[in-house]
Amino acid sequence: GGIITQTPKFLIGQEGQKLTLKCQQNFNHDTMYWYRQDSGKGLRLIYYSITENDLQKGDLSEGYDASREKKSSFSLTVTSAQKNEMAVFLCASRSLGPQDTQYFGPGTRLLVL
Amino acid sequence: GEQVEQRPPHLSVPEGDSAVIICTYTDSATAYFYWYKQEPGAGLQLLMSVFSNVDRKEEQGLTVLLNKKDKQLSLNLTAAHPGDSAVYFCAVGSNTGYQNFYFGKGTSLTVIP
Repeated sequence: GGIITQTPKFLIGQEGQKLTLKCQQNFNHDTMYWYRQDSGKGLRLIYYSITENDLQKGDLSEGYDASREKKSSFSLTVTSAQKNEMAVFLCASRSLGPQDTQYFGPGTRLLVL
Repeated sequence: GEQVEQRPPHLSVPEGDSAVIICTYTDSATAYFYWYKQEPGAGLQLLMSVFSNVDRKEEQGLTVLLNKKDKQLSLNLTAAHPGDSAVYFCAVGSNTGYQNFYFGKGTSLTVIP
C-alpha cells in the first residue's frame, strides 16, 4: 500500500497572494494530478504530470502553475489568490497497472480573505 | 470532450433501504469506470473500479452495473446504514493517451437511522 500526503491541510491567504500547495506520494506512481473541488461542481482538472519535469494543462489551468520536482512530489501554485475564494484542492496519483486507478490525498482547503 | 452527468444530487434513504446513483457519459471510447466515496473533510476513497468488459460487479454490499449501450453506470448500495452517509462520485476514463478522468458532480447520500 501507499499514501498521498498533502500540505498544508488548511491554507488561508490574502487577495493577490501567491500560494503553494504540496503533494507527496509513495506509491511510486508515474502520473500525478491536481484537481479543484468546488461545492456542487465536482472535480475539475488543473494540471497533471506523467513523469518527473512533465506538465500537462487541464481544463482549469489558468491562474495556476505546477511543478513536478521529482517522481514523488507535485506542487501547485495559485499565482494570485482571488478574494473570497474557497475551494478544496485534491492531489491524486495513478497506477499504470490493469486496474488503472487514481488514488487521492486528503485535500488542502483554501480560504482567501 | 467527455460529459458526465450524475443523478440525483441529493438522496435520503431510511436505514436498511437501498440507494441507487446513476451516471451517464457521452464518449464511446470510455473504458474505465470508478465510484468514489468522500466523507466530510476527507479525500476521495475508491469504492470500486470496473472495466468496459464487465457488466456487473458486486463487492461488500455494493453493486455496480455498466450499460455500455446506453452509456450508463450505476451504483447500488444494498441495505444502506448510517456509515454510508457521504458524497459519492462517479468517474470515467478513456482508453487513449494519458487519461484525463472525468467526474460527475457528486451525490450527497444521507442514510436516516
